[in-house]
Amino acid sequence: AQTVTQSQPEMSVQEAETVTLSCTYDTSENNYYLFWYKQPPSRQMILVIRQEAYKQQNATENRFSVNFQKAAKSFSLKISDSQLGDTAMYFCAFMKTGTASKLTFGTGTRLQVTL
Amino acid sequence: GAVVSQHPSWVICKSGTSVKIECRSLDFQATTMFWYRQFPKQSLMLMATSNEGSKATYEQGVEKDKFLINHASLTLSTLTVTSAHPEDSSFYICSSHGGNSPLHFGNGTRLTVT
Repeated sequence: AQTVTQSQPEMSVQEAETVTLSCTYDTSENNYYLFWYKQPPSRQMILVIRQEAYKQQNATENRFSVNFQKAAKSFSLKISDSQLGDTAMYFCAFMKTGTASKLTFGTGTRLQVTL
Repeated sequence: GAVVSQHPSWVICKSGTSVKIECRSLDFQATTMFWYRQFPKQSLMLMATSNEGSKATYEQGVEKDKFLINHASLTLSTLTVTSAHPEDSSFYICSSHGGNSPLHFGNGTRLTVT
């Protein structure tokens, strides 16, 4: 079974600053996907970024980037130039490859962006 | 992009009644639908996996007779909370694959049982 651990229940960052959210996971699989989802107060699940395990290059989406360390089973999210709209819960998630694979979520990190 | 439409977005019902939540895939065939439950300030917990035309697979600890799942077509999966009680009050959310795309989520249903 896979497990996903987010060790930071809450984080705070000032607007325009950079913040890194941590995530570690445990699996015996070699091929899988990793995701970061954002859940604002509306509770809609919004995909922030995804990483295929076979790719060594870290994924980047505008202000969001990841540091994927496969050997260490670490998948941190860096948010640059933080904006007030980034305030939300952030969930790290793991999914095995395959058409019927489920997502396994971490416990989440509540990020507050302040003025 | 692929969209999953979930209805209703919120519902209030009396204890003992049943509530049906629908999830429709709008522009792709959802062979598999995942149903999650989320308590306040907690993560999403998988309840069950439904596959079109077959019985759902429930996670350990989830009562299959209480949470009835039907996936009769490639575009519609339903979750019925039977004989609802206040402890069933929660946020329920569905998701499905679009091929190899990441999971697409519905917008969720906030259930309050009084």
